[in-house]
Amino acid sequence: DAGVTQSPTHLIKTRGQQVTLRCSPKSGHDTVSWYQQALGQGPQFIFQYYEEEERQRGNFPDRFSGHQFPNYSSELNVNALLLGDSALYLCASSFAGFSSYNEQFFGPGTRLTVL
Amino acid sequence: AQSVSQHNHHVILSEAASLELGCNYSYGGTVNLFWYVQYPGQHLQLLLKYFSGDPLVKGIKGFEAEFIKSKFSFNLRKPSVQWSDTAEYFCAVNAYGGATNKLIFGTGTLLAVQP
Repeated sequence: DAGVTQSPTHLIKTRGQQVTLRCSPKSGHDTVSWYQQALGQGPQFIFQYYEEEERQRGNFPDRFSGHQFPNYSSELNVNALLLGDSALYLCASSFAGFSSYNEQFFGPGTRLTVL
Repeated sequence: AQSVSQHNHHVILSEAASLELGCNYSYGGTVNLFWYVQYPGQHLQLLLKYFSGDPLVKGIKGFEAEFIKSKFSFNLRKPSVQWSDTAEYFCAVNAYGGATNKLIFGTGTLLAVQP
């Protein structure tokens, strides 16, 4: 059973460019969350997708947008890149279910460097 | 707003020493609490979790954590660390019954165990 997969592993962009990161959830999962982990910091919640819609959003500007596809995979798009967007971007998947909390499983992340 | 504080940013121990990592959270309601671990070159993995019941929870690899509601704390402990415990440890909180299961992470504690 494959876990959460992310692509690409590493990415280098320049300021002002746009980037798309991809995530495939763990088998059986229908919810995808994205987190940004800056160097020396803990992951910060960007947003969560369920049923192809953004269900909740963290404190991130509109330059950060996402999409979820019918197969539950997801993309994170960042426009007009800034140096401060350099970070490890983590994808986490879970099953919505009816529990008060459903465990999130994290992927290996995409390391984005903005020059 | 929820927040999580981890007081130890960098801890160095010798093998067989005891470990205690502090974690405090701020949130007035009921929370679910977690410790995640990130081994070098690997993705975030769940170490243990507390939802309700016995405030002393046991996780993988001999780790345990104690939830003290009156102190808003969820400290991680291990009686005897091994070199293989070298990793970064993150405390996280999720608001019980929230619309999503987003996690709020602390800044992490980097543990280095010397052989």
